[in-house]
Amino acid sequence: AQKVTQAQTEISVVEKEDVTLDCVYETRDTTYYLFWYKQPPSGELVFLIRRNSFDEQNEISGRYSWNFQKSTSSFNFTITASQVVDSAVYFCALSGYSGGGADGLTFGKGTHLIIQP
Amino acid sequence: DAGVTQSPTHLIKTRGQQVTLRCSPKSGHDTVSWYQQALGQGPQFIFQYYEEEERQRGNFPDRFSGHQFPNYSSELNVNALLLGDSALYLCASSQQGGGHQETQYFGPGTRLLVL
Repeated sequence: AQKVTQAQTEISVVEKEDVTLDCVYETRDTTYYLFWYKQPPSGELVFLIRRNSFDEQNEISGRYSWNFQKSTSSFNFTITASQVVDSAVYFCALSGYSGGGADGLTFGKGTHLIIQP
Repeated sequence: DAGVTQSPTHLIKTRGQQVTLRCSPKSGHDTVSWYQQALGQGPQFIFQYYEEEERQRGNFPDRFSGHQFPNYSSELNVNALLLGDSALYLCASSQQGGGHQETQYFGPGTRLLVL
């Protein structure tokens, strides 16, 4: 069975601070995918990034960066110089790969990020 | 390029009734997945449809059923509604075949309230 743990239920920081959201996963699959999604108050899940299990390169996109470490089964997400618009619930998710296609996603419980002005 | 669309946006039903939710995938996508998100929780995978067949199913009872049409759109049906079925129902579309095309993109959701 797959499992995603986001231990931080809520994080509150002041604007311009850096913040890291933790994600730890469990899977027996050798091929799997990891994702981060953002859910603003409107409710729609917005895709941020996808990582394949065989690609441990870290990635930076503007103020966002992701650190994938298979040795610790972690896929952490850092926002540099946070802004009020970053306030949302962030979900880490995991999917396996079977039958020639990606499986349904297993989500963590989410981290509610509050950026105070 | 239209994204994933869902209808209706909101729905109120009473216990025991049946409900049908609809989803149109993003252009070029052939796979539709459905999720249930209770308040304050992460989405839970219900099932996935590909080539008009249920490809994979999560841990949901048979009261939850679905269908995919030749144009790749999909329906989620829930019978004998329970109060606990109140949730945001999210549809996601993707394309089988590997690579970034298999990333699931989500629609705005249908908020179901069961009274």
